Amino acid sequence: ETGVTQSPTHLIKTRGQQVTLRCSSQSGHNTVSWYQQALGQGPQFIFQYYREEENGRGNFPPRFSGLQFPNYSSELNVNALELDDSALYLCASIPGGADTHEQYFGPGTRLTVT
Amino acid sequence: SQKIEQNSEALNIQEGKTATLTCNYTNYSPAYLQWYRQDPGRGPVFLLLIRENEKEKRKERLKVTFDTTLKQSLFHITASQPADSATYLCALESYNTDKLIFGTGTRLQVFP
Repeated sequence: ETGVTQSPTHLIKTRGQQVTLRCSSQSGHNTVSWYQQALGQGPQFIFQYYREEENGRGNFPPRFSGLQFPNYSSELNVNALELDDSALYLCASIPGGADTHEQYFGPGTRLTVT
Repeated sequence: SQKIEQNSEALNIQEGKTATLTCNYTNYSPAYLQWYRQDPGRGPVFLLLIRENEKEKRKERLKVTFDTTLKQSLFHITASQPADSATYLCALESYNTDKLIFGTGTRLQVFP
């Protein structure tokens, strides 16, 4: 186990609704990345937060937004849900400090949009 | 655009044999290449990282090679076991970013 937790485990939403997914990083990790993984695909980078500031963003529209809190836990918010947003959403916490590159993934939240 | 290719077909091998998985990339110059294991319904788990100036890295039964001229990494599991059955993902990373670009993964099935 990586020590990274995510909630909820599964979620079903209707097109047009909004959703908030949560992630608790491993203790001492000040950076968190969020990824979207469609069925049969590799994870796709959404964005990253470092010390509560967005620190890089992938090719996702602005309706995907995030927050990182002082305790380094994090949220991913998706507005105006579309059917194609159905996927496994993964957060990954990254240790602080130089020359640390491995990422510690949570178990993911499976989002289904109907 | 950047592209990462892994064997899309599942790899089926017999227990005890060596599994070799391939990761090819184009239009990218990664500083680091990582391999992750992912079991169904779970998040990826980090296995190995290799830097652009390293040719080979080993960890127990795992070996990774990195050829920046061929733009290819090979991932080997020696003396494979049924418990090694999973999807294996390669991921590329540039300098000064923690953004990982993943391949689609290769599903490995090890039969007793």
